[in-house]
Amino acid sequence: EAGVAQSPRYKIIEKRQSVAFWCNPISGHATLYWYQQILGQGPKLLIQFQNNGVVDDSQLPKDRFSAERLKGVDSTLKIQPAKLEDSAVYLCASSYHNEQFFGPGTRLTVL
Amino acid sequence: QQQVKQSPQSLIVQKGGISIINCAYENTAFDYFPWYQQFPGKGPALLIAIRPDVSEKKEGRFTISFNKSAKQFSLHIMDSQPGDSATYFCAASKITGNQFYFGTGTSLTVIP
Repeated sequence: EAGVAQSPRYKIIEKRQSVAFWCNPISGHATLYWYQQILGQGPKLLIQFQNNGVVDDSQLPKDRFSAERLKGVDSTLKIQPAKLEDSAVYLCASSYHNEQFFGPGTRLTVL
Repeated sequence: QQQVKQSPQSLIVQKGGISIINCAYENTAFDYFPWYQQFPGKGPALLIAIRPDVSEKKEGRFTISFNKSAKQFSLHIMDSQPGDSATYFCAASKITGNQFYFGTGTSLTVIP
């Protein structure tokens, strides 16, 4: 069974630029999550989708972050404009019956 | 508010020793408690999980102990090996809603 796929794996941008991350969850997993993981910390939930509907986006900085999950499968997370403090690993995960599986993450560096 | 508190932040253990990581939670509605292992440059991987209807779950060298009354759970790694060196995260969730709350992580180093 293929795992959660993410791209790109690494991204370096200047502050105020825009960036987008892509996630393809495990086939059949209705729930998809985007997490932000700052070095030395646990994953922090940004947004949770159930199929293509948003379940929780209470910690998503909506002035600069946006996410969508069209057709209830793939998802994209966008940051516009990026700030220095957005430097982190962005993890996508999907779950089925409470078992959550993570992708390898995208390491974002904002200069 | 930190929903799940994890300790210690870092841990150094000799090869063959026992590694113990502790977590505590507040919300009694949580009913699923997984542990994740994360190697550098990788996403967290599910290691072992427990539901509150049992007090202990063992899978190979990994054991979760669960104390419902104290709202605490811990991961025990028996016969720790250098390959176990990684960051470990505990988490808690409610089966309804599928929302996960993570601890802050424990960096484990097993010395040969």
